Amino acid sequence: QSALTQPPSASGSPGQSVTISCTGSSSDVGSYNYVSWYQQHPGKAPKLMIYDVSKRPSGVPDRFSGSKSGNTASLTVSGLQAEDEADYYCSSYAGSPIFVFGTGTKVTVL
Amino acid sequence: EVQLVESGGGLVQPGGSLKLSCAASGFTFSGSSIHWVRQTSGRGLEWVGRIRNKDNSYATAYTASVKGRFTISRDDSENTSYLQMNSLKTEDTAVYYCTRPLNTGTLAFDPWGQGTLVTVSS
Repeated sequence: QSALTQPPSASGSPGQSVTISCTGSSSDVGSYNYVSWYQQHPGKAPKLMIYDVSKRPSGVPDRFSGSKSGNTASLTVSGLQAEDEADYYCSSYAGSPIFVFGTGTKVTVL
Repeated sequence: EVQLVESGGGLVQPGGSLKLSCAASGFTFSGSSIHWVRQTSGRGLEWVGRIRNKDNSYATAYTASVKGRFTISRDDSENTSYLQMNSLKTEDTAVYYCTRPLNTGTLAFDPWGQGTLVTVSS
């Protein structure tokens, strides 16, 4: 099972929006609505930001939103804030059971 | 507060063994599956495997690269899961996290432990 493909980096100024893509295949992202997104600050554990493609866990700001079309999922961060600067990873269930993660995207707030 | 704490990491030679622990608190451990995920600087996050609860016969599943070498177990009386790693390879060097599903029936993980570093090197 190959890792999901994400752009290595993305950036935006405070208040702007940034969208990160996550491209998989018909075996994972395209087959299941079990895409999740994780935020990771340096030296910290990943934190769940979005699950089931577009649901937000309690406590996650509504500036974070998720969507999916075909084999590609996306995470959008609106109204960028300094604390949003972090690495972001997508993940998808791939059956069997197997879970596959994305390659990771470093978001920089300019 | 839901909390997971890993321990047992360290330096081990190729071909050696190591056993990691994941101590849980703040939720009904016996009712939850536990997953292990590792992170390397070069390959990012990789799902290692999981153990289900008693109602699901403690079923285990593993990623292909560790199948036959790693074993996940649990002790519900101690609220602890274990990851036994045998025949370790240099490519197993990583930070190992334990985590659990956000809710029953969800396939997303929250929270995660702080991780424990395993270094396989001669």
